Amino acid sequence: AQSVTQLGSHVSVSEGALVLLRCNYSSSVPPYLFWYVQYPNQGLQLLLKYTTGATLVKGINGFEAEFKKSETSFHLTKPSAHMSDAAEYFCAVRRAGNMLTFGGGTRLMVKP
Amino acid sequence: ETGVTQTPRHLVMGMTNKKSLKCEQHLGHNAMYWYKQSAKKPLELMFVYSLEERVENNSVPSRFSPECPNSSHLFLHLHTLQPEDSALYLCASSQEGSSYYEQYFGPGTRLTVT
Repeated sequence: AQSVTQLGSHVSVSEGALVLLRCNYSSSVPPYLFWYVQYPNQGLQLLLKYTTGATLVKGINGFEAEFKKSETSFHLTKPSAHMSDAAEYFCAVRRAGNMLTFGGGTRLMVKP
Repeated sequence: ETGVTQTPRHLVMGMTNKKSLKCEQHLGHNAMYWYKQSAKKPLELMFVYSLEERVENNSVPSRFSPECPNSSHLFLHLHTLQPEDSALYLCASSQEGSSYYEQYFGPGTRLTVT
């Protein structure tokens, strides 16, 4: 069975600092992994995805994530946080069919 | 309209009311989903429709009744809800059978049950 754990339900960084949001997964099959972002009062928007190929994946808004099979991780990073990055971030892994299993989410706060 | 749209965006209803949530996707997808998002709880998958047939129902109470009349439209009919049903209800769509597995979400309907 597939599952996702996001370490830290809240992360606070200063504007301009590195953003690191952690995601660990378990999967009985080669995983397809996703990061979504949710701004207040909005739905989830796809940031990036890993299916096969290059393990460093670049997404929108300057975010990237690296698939590390040996660590079963897919951490999300951004070199320099911006105030507009404040949102909730969800990691997800594909399971049977096109269904996704989501992590519990991490709320990112950016301090001026 | 583009992407996935949901109406209404906000809904307040009493426990004895009947209402419906509507979702429409403009992406040509063939699978649609209802999720419930409550405060401090993980995203909960409620129903999945693939090619207009229900393929998953995650033990959702019968006071929630989905309907998928065609591949572009999805409804969630609500009746005799409880206060704990207050949540953000999200609709999503995807293309079953393709190599692109991501789901595209609508903005959600914020439901308050009084």
